[in-house]
Amino acid sequence: VQLVASGGVVVQPGGSLRLSCAASGFSFEDYTMHWVRQRPGKGLEWVSLISWSGDYTNYADSVRGRFTFSRDNSKSSLYLQMNSLKTEDTALYYCAKEQNDAFDIWGQGTMVTVSS
Amino acid sequence: DIQMTQSPSSLSASVGDKVTITCRAGQSVSTYLNWYQQKPGKAPNLLIYTASNLESGVPSRFSGSGYGEGFTLTISSLQPEDFATYYCQQSYTSPWTFGQGTKVEIK
Repeated sequence: VQLVASGGVVVQPGGSLRLSCAASGFSFEDYTMHWVRQRPGKGLEWVSLISWSGDYTNYADSVRGRFTFSRDNSKSSLYLQMNSLKTEDTALYYCAKEQNDAFDIWGQGTMVTVSS
Repeated sequence: DIQMTQSPSSLSASVGDKVTITCRAGQSVSTYLNWYQQKPGKAPNLLIYTASNLESGVPSRFSGSGYGEGFTLTISSLQPEDFATYYCQQSYTSPWTFGQGTKVEIK
């Protein structure tokens, strides 16, 4: 069972970026999935969720309208499209699987740095 | 948003000590309360889900209790590999929110 996140880079304020997360070892299409972020030296912040089918998404107020969470069950992959990036979006972004109303599997994280 | 407050923010303890961390929710979250351990440079690891259920593979020295607004994580006998930061998290309602973390350090 594994989640591997990728796509994090250094980007200028106002820029865009797409993160990916590849899943393996479980029935990906059966589970709600999430993104959680951690700013440098800080705590954990939930960012977004997507239902198993992809029909339902929800976002933290801090990213709503700027981030879009999608999935491709045929590829066991998640995507987080991040637009209008702000310096406060600088963080390590984790993808996570939901089971029993908790995050039971986490990816290793991918670092997004928003800086001019 | 439901605010989650952990206490203490940090603590120093010795190997073999019993350690208790408290998490208080700003409103009732029923039993939708989870605990995670995070070591430096690593992703968080689920310890306890829905207040008192031990995640598979987690040592039995970890236990959780509580309901509503008050919860505790207990480590019955602290081991060297337990020095880490611990987070509580509610999944009662969106947005799912975390406590600020409790850093457990070596005394």
